[in-house]
Amino acid sequence: KAGVTQTPRYLIKTRGQQVTLSCSPISGHRSVSWYQQTPGQGLQFLFEYFSETQRNKGNFPGRFSGRQFSNSRSEMNVSTLELGDSALYLCASSFGTQNNSPLHFGNGTRLTVT
Amino acid sequence: EDQVTQSPEALRLQEGESSSLNCSYTVSGLRGLFWYRQDPGKGPEFLFTLYSAGEEKEKERLKATLTKKESFLHITAPKPEDSATYLCAVSGPDKLIFGTGTRLQVFP
Repeated sequence: KAGVTQTPRYLIKTRGQQVTLSCSPISGHRSVSWYQQTPGQGLQFLFEYFSETQRNKGNFPGRFSGRQFSNSRSEMNVSTLELGDSALYLCASSFGTQNNSPLHFGNGTRLTVT
Repeated sequence: EDQVTQSPEALRLQEGESSSLNCSYTVSGLRGLFWYRQDPGKGPEFLFTLYSAGEEKEKERLKATLTKKESFLHITAPKPEDSATYLCAVSGPDKLIFGTGTRLQVFP
């Protein structure tokens, strides 16, 4: 069974630009969650989508948004990039919701904002 | 306030030297506690789920236990390939909270 796939693996952007990250979940998984990981803050929850509906949202500004398509694939968008947005962005899929089922993570997209 | 604290932040062990990692938590209505392993440059990999106090799970050299306030990840006779960051996550009725992890290094 194929794992969670995230593209691209690396991105370098300039302040003020916007970026879109993509995530393909494990086949059959209906939940996709997004996390930001930085050395100082650890894993910070961004949002969770379940069957195309945003189920939960973390404490991030409105510049961070996402969506889920009917095939469960998900995208995350960050607009007006800031230097502090540099991080590893992880996508995870699960069969049930994230607080009831183990998460299966992709290897992330490393975003660098200059 | 719901929170998860892992200790120690970093741990260095000699190969074969057993030890334990701690995950302390406060959460209303615990649904489950998850352990993950993360290698550099990769996403976390699921290890165990524990649901109730007294429950134990084992996998190779790893054993996870759960009480009402904390969970332990015991590593018996570790090998260098066990070197990684170990994360715990605690789920409540509507949230999942990750700890900041314990970075384990095992030297031959």
